[in-house]
Amino acid sequence: QKEVEQNSGPLSVPEGAIASLNCTYSDRGSQSFFWYRQYSGKSPELIMSIYSNGDKEDGRFTAQLNKASQYVSLLIRDSQPSDSATYLCAFYQAGTALIFGKGTTLSVSS
Amino acid sequence: DVKVTQSSRYLVKRTGEKVFLECVQDMDHENMFWYRQDPGLGLRLIYFSYDVKMKEKGDIPEGYSVSREKKERFSLILESASTNQTSMYLCASSSGDIPYEQYFGPGTRLTVT
Repeated sequence: QKEVEQNSGPLSVPEGAIASLNCTYSDRGSQSFFWYRQYSGKSPELIMSIYSNGDKEDGRFTAQLNKASQYVSLLIRDSQPSDSATYLCAFYQAGTALIFGKGTTLSVSS
Repeated sequence: DVKVTQSSRYLVKRTGEKVFLECVQDMDHENMFWYRQDPGLGLRLIYFSYDVKMKEKGDIPEGYSVSREKKERFSLILESASTNQTSMYLCASSSGDIPYEQYFGPGTRLTVT
């Protein structure tokens, strides 16, 4: 069974701090990794994708991928209260669908 | 903008009833998915479809069936609803070119009493 592991949290950070969200996955053959954000009572939305080792930056968000360690992370710089949400890590299994982790809840206090 | 709509936001049904959940997308996407989301269990894939009249089982298909007669519409059917099917049901779609970029509908919160 291919799986994604995330710390459920909650992860609490003060406004302006860096939030670090982590994820490990079991399928060594996975090539595509994603971060979805889900606000309470809403559906998930894609915020970041990463396909190669290293860092990928998009505004205040940085995704990091280490395939050797089977590890993906999401850094949120200058965290804002509006970043408070559940963040879902996922990888794409070709021929099937996305495999999602259970999510990490982030709380940013002002 | 991609729009995925679901027929009901909230639904209450009785045990044993046949339940239909409808999902429609307006972006001509080839792929459509049905998930359920439960606290502590995350998103779990029920069924998905890569083409009209085509379906594939996901991780938890038991007690469910699906129908895709038209490209834009993907229906989830609970043949005989049970209380353990009380959940949030999420539909998603994606294009054939970028299958992993899934767009989700607003969800249907189903309660089976």
